[in-house]
Amino acid sequence: GIQVEQSPPDLILQEGANSTLRCNFSDSVNNLQWFHQNPWGQLINLFYIPSGTKQNGRLSATTVATERYSLLYISSSQTTDSGVYFCAVEIDGNYGQNFVFGPGTRLSVLP
Amino acid sequence: NAGVTQTPKFRILKIGQSMTLQCTQDMNHNYMYWYRQDPGMGLKLIYYSVGAGITDKGEVPNGYNVSRSTTEDFPLRLELAAPSQTSVYFCASSYSDRGYTIYFGEGSWLTVV
Repeated sequence: GIQVEQSPPDLILQEGANSTLRCNFSDSVNNLQWFHQNPWGQLINLFYIPSGTKQNGRLSATTVATERYSLLYISSSQTTDSGVYFCAVEIDGNYGQNFVFGPGTRLSVLP
Repeated sequence: NAGVTQTPKFRILKIGQSMTLQCTQDMNHNYMYWYRQDPGMGLKLIYYSVGAGITDKGEVPNGYNVSRSTTEDFPLRLELAAPSQTSVYFCASSYSDRGYTIYFGEGSWLTVV
């Protein structure tokens, strides 16, 4: 099956710093989404980005589907950005699409 | 807006017991999913459904069963609980595939002792 890798596994930043998180996948995918899991376990969708670049406030994401990777940029990080960031790729199942998640990048933003 | 609702939030089971995790969504979504997340790990798909009456196995289906009799509900049944099923379980839904956002419930923490 498809392999999804994320790097780095852990990242510690001072508040205000910028960061780049990477997601690599081993095969062509129909869709890619980025999620943030906050320290309380809640999963929030950040971006649906099968290709190209999107921006939402301090966050932006770029997917280069032909090269099988996606990047999530966090600028001017805040303590509330702490948590785990997952990318998930959408693949064909027997009856429809489903999502395969990467192992995540754990981000800690220090005040 | 309720979104995706899971119950119970916390449960302790003894080895060999059975239970059902309930999941309901009020967004009229066709697709529903059950994932498990082991400590420090990503999410692994247990089962998914593309509509009432249609379910399919994901990556880690052993020890679980599902049914989808209505659009709203997608319960997950654990038979003969084992310590390896200690995990956090997330239910999720999306309107369709190929580009629709997936929405998650708040998770159900299950411990098997």
